Amino acid sequence: QVQLVESGGGLVKPGGSLRLSCAASGFTFSDYYMSWIRQAPGKGLEWVSCISSSGGTIYYADSVKGRFTISRDNAKNSLYLQMNSLRAEDTAVYYCARFTYAFDYWGQGTLVTVSS
Amino acid sequence: QSALTQPRSVSGSPGQSVTISCTGTSSDVGGYNYVSWYQHHPGKAPQLMIYDVSKRPSGVPDRFSGSKSGNTASLTISGLQAEDEADYYCCSYAGSYTWVFGGGTKLTVL
Repeated sequence: QVQLVESGGGLVKPGGSLRLSCAASGFTFSDYYMSWIRQAPGKGLEWVSCISSSGGTIYYADSVKGRFTISRDNAKNSLYLQMNSLRAEDTAVYYCARFTYAFDYWGQGTLVTVSS
Repeated sequence: QSALTQPRSVSGSPGQSVTISCTGTSSDVGGYNYVSWYQHHPGKAPQLMIYDVSKRPSGVPDRFSGSKSGNTASLTISGLQAEDEADYYCCSYAGSYTWVFGGGTKLTVL
């Protein structure tokens, strides 16, 4: 069965950096686009970034462009999100999701808290 | 990339039907037939319920249906059951390989 497990969340100071990971299993990871989606406390979902199956095509939401970098390692069945210059408004649960015709499988998320 | 507009909450009794609306613009909901709906029980992974406006993934009960008219999409849940109580989010393709979600609707089964 498809499984996505995020890790790497935690408490970080404003201006700091954090790298999230997502371990995928139960499907051929290298065949699928993948995305990061976040949910701030008490707020709705927000799409963050998407990467093609080969990693050659990448898209970002305007809110994170220039600060976040999505990447993947198909040999390790893993997706990553490098987050730099973090702000308080980046505080959220971050989900990784597989994309086919929609975001068809999600992980349970990892919490990132940006606070001094 | 403004969020799609959903009612904050809806409610219904077991066996009844409820409809959740999702209003966007001609640049997202109205411009593409790529609206999806997600059920989210807090603390769990969100689950895809509807994609491409009205298609159901395998395993999703046919009590869940989707539709769209103009810039507004809708999710209808018929024959409400206690386990349907959750948060529901709509999502639309917004062009240039970007997506926009709604603010979420809390469904309460009375």
